[in-house]
Order: sequence, then C-alpha cells, then structure tokens
Amino acid sequence: AQKVTQAQTEISVVEKEDVTLDCVYETRDTTYYLFWYKQPPSGELVFLIRRNSFDEQNEISGRYSWNFQKSTSSFNFTITASQVVDSAVYFCALKMYSGGGADGLTFGKGTHLIIQP
Amino acid sequence: DGGITQSPKYLFRKEGQNVTLSCEQNLNHDAMYWYRQDPGQGLRLIYYSQIVNDFQKGDIAEGYSVSREKKESFPLTVTSAQKNPTAFYLCASSQRTGFRTNEKLFFGSGTQLSVL
Repeated sequence: AQKVTQAQTEISVVEKEDVTLDCVYETRDTTYYLFWYKQPPSGELVFLIRRNSFDEQNEISGRYSWNFQKSTSSFNFTITASQVVDSAVYFCALKMYSGGGADGLTFGKGTHLIIQP
Repeated sequence: DGGITQSPKYLFRKEGQNVTLSCEQNLNHDAMYWYRQDPGQGLRLIYYSQIVNDFQKGDIAEGYSVSREKKESFPLTVTSAQKNPTAFYLCASSQRTGFRTNEKLFFGSGTQLSVL
C-alpha cells in the first residue's frame, strides 16, 4: 500500500518569508510518480509539478522549488519570498507505477499555508 | 476555454434522497475521476473511468454510483446508502490513465454537498 504524509497541518508566515512544505511518502514500487497541487479558496486543485522516481533532479520554477530525495522518501516544496497570493492548501500526491489497486492518485492530507501581509 | 464544469456549486440532500452531481469536460480527455474531500483530509478516490461505458471503483465507492455514457460527462449519484455524504466533491480528468502513466489531473471547482 502507498501513503503520503504531510505532517504540517497549517503554516503561517509573514509575506516575503521563505517557507518549506514537507512531504514524505511510502510505496513498495521502485518506480512511481509524485505530484504537488495547490487548492486556492476557489476550490479547484491546480497542478504545480510532476516528478518521476527515476529523475532525482531538483527543480526551480520562479519562486517555487522542489527537493526530491529518494533516500529519505521526501519531496519537499519551498516557496521563496512568499506572497499573499500563495495562501492556499497544498497537496502532495503519489501514483504507483504498477497495478494492484485503484488507478488514481494517493493524496496527503494537505498543508494549509497562510501568508500574512 | 477548455476545462471541467461541476454543478451545482452547493447541494442539499434530505434523508433517504438520492442526489446527482454533474461533471462535464471539454478537454477531450479519456479518463475522468471523482474524489471526496473532507475537512482537514486529503482527497479520496470514489470512482474513475478510463473510457466511455467503463468505470471502476475507487477506495470509497460504497453508497455512490456513476455512469459514463458520453466521453465528456461523468455524473456521480450519492445514494441514500451513503450515510455520511456531507463533503466537498471534486471531479477531475486526464488525457489518459492506466498504470505506467503519469498524467496530471485537471480539476473542476467542486460541489459542496450537505445533509438537511
């Protein structure tokens, strides 16, 4: 079985601070896919990034960066110089490569990020 | 603009009543999904469909039913057998699905279902 743990239920920082959202996953597969989604107050989830397990390169996209470490089963997300518009619930998700269960994403419980002006 | 439309945004169910949540996509995606979100919880998969006229149970299918008669539509019925239906329901689609794929999901804006 697979599992995604986002231990931080809620994080509150002041605008312009850097913030890291943690994601730890469990899976028996050696090949798998990891995702981050953002859920703003409007409700719909927005895709942020996708990472294959065999690609351990870190990625930077503007103020966003992701640190994938297979050795610790973590896929952490950092926002640099946070802005009020970054306030949302962020979900980490895992998809298995092999069969044996329903074909969908396994989501963590989400981290509610509050950026105060 | 292409996207996923869910309706209604808010829905109320009386005891013993079945209600249907609508989900329509114009992205020409083969795969569609229904997720349930409870406060402070992640999303849990209810049903998914890889192709027209085919659908599979997810992790929490009991008390729910779906149909996939058209590629663009995947309605979810919450039956009276679902004893705790109050939740936020999200519909999603992807170009294709199946194991060994890493397709990203596109989501609708959700339906909040409450019990009267």
